[in-house]
Amino acid sequence: GAVVSQHPSRVICKSGTSVKIECRSLDFQATTMFWYRQFPKQSLMLMATSNEGSKATYEQGVEKDKFLINHASLTLSTLTVTSAHPEDSSFYICSADGGGSYEQYFGPGTRLTVT
Amino acid sequence: AQSVTQLDSQVPVFEEAPVELRCNYSSSVSVYLFWYVQYPNQGLQLLLKYLSGSTLVKGINGFEAEFNKSQTSFHLRKPSVHISDTAEYFCAVSYGQTGANNLFFGTGTRLTVIP
Repeated sequence: GAVVSQHPSRVICKSGTSVKIECRSLDFQATTMFWYRQFPKQSLMLMATSNEGSKATYEQGVEKDKFLINHASLTLSTLTVTSAHPEDSSFYICSADGGGSYEQYFGPGTRLTVT
Repeated sequence: AQSVTQLDSQVPVFEEAPVELRCNYSSSVSVYLFWYVQYPNQGLQLLLKYLSGSTLVKGINGFEAEFNKSQTSFHLRKPSVHISDTAEYFCAVSYGQTGANNLFFGTGTRLTVIP
């Protein structure tokens, strides 16, 4: 149980284009999902907290107009990187709230490369 | 401010030797503690967690950790490591007072098992 998937696992896009990453909780409902960014050999940085049916809460320094988050259902949250630039290249990881267990269940991550 | 410290960025250890990965956190009334493992280009996998009860927590793959409130530590241990344990290990803390679902991550420890 408590499986989180991400799609795609890898994506390469050209500078200026937009990319959408999906995060799904496969066997449970997640009121809250989180989006993290991880640079090479570094820790996870929380970008935003996504609550189903409401606007996401972004961490300081994260551009909400660039990283669009939608959490339209209890099993799906999406992160859209708009007008991507090479500096947006990174490993993006989502997680889902464990529902009161104080635990987060992590997806396998999406490697974004912007050329 | 909440913080999680992993003092060792890299830990090399010979196969079948014991290992301890250190984690300290800023003090708080209520904390929930986690260790995650990350293999290359993958998401995070939960090793073990402390929510309450016994301070010695056993996890998967033969790992265990001990919650020490007086020293605000949650060190991860394994009595005999295998080559397959080579990975990045992250300590994470959830502070109940600031939001049950927010995880604060340490900077990670790279465990390298030497044959």
